[in-house]
Amino acid sequence: DAMVIQNPRYQVTQFGKPVTLSCSQTLNHNVMYWYQQKSSQAPKLLFHYYDKDFNNEADTPDNFQSRRPNTSFCFLDIRSPGLGDAAMYLCATSRGENIQYFGAGTRLSVL
Amino acid sequence: RKEVEQDPGPFNVPEGATVAFNCTYSNSASQSFFWYRQDCRKEPKLLMSVYSSGNEDGRFTAQLNRASQYISLLIRDSKLSDSATYLCVVTAGGTSYGKLTFGQGTILTVHP
Repeated sequence: DAMVIQNPRYQVTQFGKPVTLSCSQTLNHNVMYWYQQKSSQAPKLLFHYYDKDFNNEADTPDNFQSRRPNTSFCFLDIRSPGLGDAAMYLCATSRGENIQYFGAGTRLSVL
Repeated sequence: RKEVEQDPGPFNVPEGATVAFNCTYSNSASQSFFWYRQDCRKEPKLLMSVYSSGNEDGRFTAQLNRASQYISLLIRDSKLSDSATYLCVVTAGGTSYGKLTFGQGTILTVHP
């Protein structure tokens, strides 16, 4: 059974139209991460929550925001998607600095 | 210089072959080391952690050389199902809490 669940698996949005991707976990892990992975590239960390503490990577555009209302859920908000934001978005969780477990990802297309 | 460098391949090998992947990392303060496997259009999945003493899991052997900042993965008796991208992954030390840094991946194709 999937332990890190991302919805939707595929998301199509229009240029400039806000979109929210969701991640939930049944592992009760205290750390949740969002990665962006473009074709033929390695995953790139956007930000992570350590418990309720939000940690943004220095090069993550302001267009990307995140919310974590509780331990189980974390959301990625893209305020004004551009064509360059089309990618696979991966959510991962860990207990402290231990191994990270990834969800199946949401593939975002921007028209 | 990239923080984690891998030979992108692709490696094309016949079933039953032995294949080795190499990876180097630039941050000498790196704490933990992993090999992840990623199938096409799927999420990365942990293959194995890598320890200084070296570790083996079935057909897979991983080695870490901290002095040379070098990590390797050996796959013996390759199967068709081993075809995937193999990602070398390193966690930073110090204040970069838990941050995974990925290599660009090495593509392996095992053919009949």
